[in-house]
Amino acid sequence: TQLLEQSPQFLSIQEGENLTVYCNSSSVFSSLQWYRQEPGEGPVLLVTVVTGGEVKKLKRLTFQFGDARKDSSLHITAAQPGDTGLYLCAGVLAGGTSYGKLTFGQGTILTVHP
Amino acid sequence: SAVISQKPSRDICQRGTSLTIQCQVDSQVTMMFWYRQQPGQSLTLIATANQGSEATYESGFVIDKFPISRPNLTFSTLTVSNMSPEDSSIYLCSATQTPNYGYTFGSGTRLTVV
Repeated sequence: TQLLEQSPQFLSIQEGENLTVYCNSSSVFSSLQWYRQEPGEGPVLLVTVVTGGEVKKLKRLTFQFGDARKDSSLHITAAQPGDTGLYLCAGVLAGGTSYGKLTFGQGTILTVHP
Repeated sequence: SAVISQKPSRDICQRGTSLTIQCQVDSQVTMMFWYRQQPGQSLTLIATANQGSEATYESGFVIDKFPISRPNLTFSTLTVSNMSPEDSSIYLCSATQTPNYGYTFGSGTRLTVV
């Protein structure tokens, strides 16, 4: 059973379209983080959300943390070919002995066609 | 944020041999981790590299197969021992000073076992 369910796993859209990627869990996280990875590179941190209900914006990207800190979403407005890549949500579980370990969702491969 | 140098970036190895991957961080960090990733897929945690003590392994990974060292707060190695073609994958190290504020990843080691 996947602790963090990320969807969709594949997304192929045209330049200028909007999209949303979801990350859901039945567990509570002290933070949820979004990374973007390009071929041959490691994941690069886009944003971290730590407060329930928090919304963060990074240019055309909007990130939201659910009120109960169990889910998050990434919304991209007017996608561009440069947004193409693997998007990963990841979380740090609240409490217990798992602190510090990052749990990843399945990832979303986004392709934006010109 | 910290910068991680990981090497080698890729290698092709004969089955039955071992490969040691090195990870150097440009500043002292609290936590270091090792992951495995198939191209285009998410990351699977292998172990937490503990400074000055034995690594903590996730289910399905054992010390004899993946010995890890972390002699100080900036350096760690992962050895893939007695390799088989099933070990072909991308191996990444990661580090963080404050988990809730994000992690830095190395650029990965693409291992092919023939």
